[in-house]
Amino acid sequence: QVQLVQSGAEVKKPGASVKVSCKASGYTFIKYDMHWVRQAPGQRLEWMGWINGDNGSTKYSQNFRGRVTITRDISASTAYMELSSLRSEDTAVYYCAREWELKNWGQGTLVTVSS
Amino acid sequence: DIVMTQTPLSSPVTLGQPASISCRSSQSLVHSDGNTYLSWLQQRPGQPPKLLIYKISNRFSGVPDRFSGSGAGTDFTLKISRVEAEDVGVYYCMQATQFPLTFGGGTKVEIK
Repeated sequence: QVQLVQSGAEVKKPGASVKVSCKASGYTFIKYDMHWVRQAPGQRLEWMGWINGDNGSTKYSQNFRGRVTITRDISASTAYMELSSLRSEDTAVYYCAREWELKNWGQGTLVTVSS
Repeated sequence: DIVMTQTPLSSPVTLGQPASISCRSSQSLVHSDGNTYLSWLQQRPGQPPKLLIYKISNRFSGVPDRFSGSGAGTDFTLKISRVEAEDVGVYYCMQATQFPLTFGGGTKVEIK
């Protein structure tokens, strides 16, 4: 069965970067897109970006103004999301989700930004 | 960006009774390929979101048939025919017709 297992919780200082991983299993990794979505406390779900499963192209939300980078390691069946210049408002649970319509989700990674 | 607006914010329901959630988009969700990429997600307390319905009315694998989706263009509805205790949670509509993907604000379903 499809599984997306994300890396563990992180605590970061303002201005730092964080890189969250999402290891996929149960399907052919390169056949499906991967999205990243975050959920800040009390806020609605927010789409961050996407990597095309076929060719690795990416697209990002303008809300992050170049701070987010999504990559993948095909040999490890793992997708990554890196967010830089962290601020307190980036405290959230970050999720990876498979396929265009977000059919399968990771368990989430809590990133806390605090001085 | 396409704005997704859900009503109501909260829906207290008696077990075994129906529930209905509405979602309206700020522009048509019909894609140039002819599909309408409107989905419904369920998020139980303490868990990640889970896909229930995609392309307006298609139930995802394993989703009970008491969940159904309908609508077209800019107006969509999720119905639960008979609410069960396990249906408690927050429900979100989501559009994947246009970048960036956007979500509704959520509707909390709780038992009266």
